[in-house]
Amino acid sequence: GAGVSQTPSNKVTEKGKYVELRCDPISGHTALYWYRQSLGQGPEFLIYFQGTGAADDSGLPNDRFFAVRPEGSVSTLKIQRTERGDSAVYLCASSTNSGSTDTQYFGPGTRLTVL
Amino acid sequence: AQSVTQLGSHVSVSEGALVLLRCNYSSSVPPYLFWYVQYPNQGLQLLLKYTSAATLVKGINGFEAEFKKSETSFHLTKPSAHMSDAAEYFCAVSRMDSSYKLIFGSGTRLLVRP
Repeated sequence: GAGVSQTPSNKVTEKGKYVELRCDPISGHTALYWYRQSLGQGPEFLIYFQGTGAADDSGLPNDRFFAVRPEGSVSTLKIQRTERGDSAVYLCASSTNSGSTDTQYFGPGTRLTVL
Repeated sequence: AQSVTQLGSHVSVSEGALVLLRCNYSSSVPPYLFWYVQYPNQGLQLLLKYTSAATLVKGINGFEAEFKKSETSFHLTKPSAHMSDAAEYFCAVSRMDSSYKLIFGSGTRLLVRP
């Protein structure tokens, strides 16, 4: 079946602009996670959704970052007033539920470059 | 707080040699532990996971890992490396009281020499 998809695969923007990154999880997966991977680092947690609600947003770095999942499926990560330090690969993952043994399936990521 | 340390940002082995990638964790409660592999321009793929059942966990592609509580380790091994194993490997920890978010190590790049 189809895996997690993310669009766009690459996004180049200028400092100060607004960007939206989209994640389509595996059908039926209720848990959805966003991570950010900087060059040479492991992914860092940003936010977790269970259904439509953000159950844990403790990883969002500041109030320029926001994410939604209005219908419990597709999620959008929104970044306002982008800064060069926001350049990274943004990864989305989904799982059947946020259970103890559930595997998180990752998408290929969106590479964001802020000039 | 949880954390994961992967010793060695790069590991180089000859084809057919043993692969050993090291991972140590810290967690105040029993953790769940994972190894993911990332091939160039691809998403992370789960190799194996420890969820408090058997301490020796077998995964895909011939990899296995052993949970050692006394050493707080979860090292990844494979008896014989293949060229196709060249990739970046990430160890991660999660726990039930923390939304199951994954805390990743910084990764180890495995190079396989012919």
